Amino acid sequence: KQEVTQIPAALSVPEGENLVLNCSFTDSAIYNLQWFRQDPGKGLTSLLLIQSSQREQTSGRLNASLDKSSGRSTLYIAASQPGDSATYLCAVIKTGANNLFFGTGTRLTVIP
Amino acid sequence: DVKVTQSSRYLVKRTGEKVFLECVQDMDHENMFWYRQDPGLGLRLIYFSYDVKMKEKGDIPEGYSVSREKKERFSLILESASTNQTSMYLCASSFLGAGYGYTFGSGTRLTVV
Repeated sequence: KQEVTQIPAALSVPEGENLVLNCSFTDSAIYNLQWFRQDPGKGLTSLLLIQSSQREQTSGRLNASLDKSSGRSTLYIAASQPGDSATYLCAVIKTGANNLFFGTGTRLTVIP
Repeated sequence: DVKVTQSSRYLVKRTGEKVFLECVQDMDHENMFWYRQDPGLGLRLIYFSYDVKMKEKGDIPEGYSVSREKKERFSLILESASTNQTSMYLCASSFLGAGYGYTFGSGTRLTVV
């Protein structure tokens, strides 16, 4: 079964700092990987989708990379802001499957 | 703006009640999903559907059923609510084919007392 791990579970950084969130998965046979953001008590907001044939995607201050062979993805956030404070979740779709496998998330706090 | 809409943000129900959670998407997606989210356990798939009237069990289907009579609507049914079904419920949808991303609703916080 696909297992997805996110380290660290929680992270606090001062405003303006660049940071990296990590995601690892056990089965490299994936279709794609998606990063989400979740604010407390709210639903999930999609941030970036990386297809299995791609190595990275960028949106504004966010950059996500994917290394299928090593089973790893990183989400890079540049010049962090207090509004970036949220839980960040990565999820993968296994080849041949139809549903997402989620990590347990990294709770990010950006201190003004 | 494309949307997945869950009918209720908060619900409080009594033990033994039959509970309906509704989800509607306006993106003509084939796939629809119901997850529950609990602290320390993450998101777990309850049921999904890839077409009208079709359904597949996820990881934790016990105590739940689903209905998909129309493409845009996917309902989660708690036949007899229990306190261990107190949770955040999240609906999602996607196009058929794994190359597409998922869109989630804003969630329903269900409390069973």
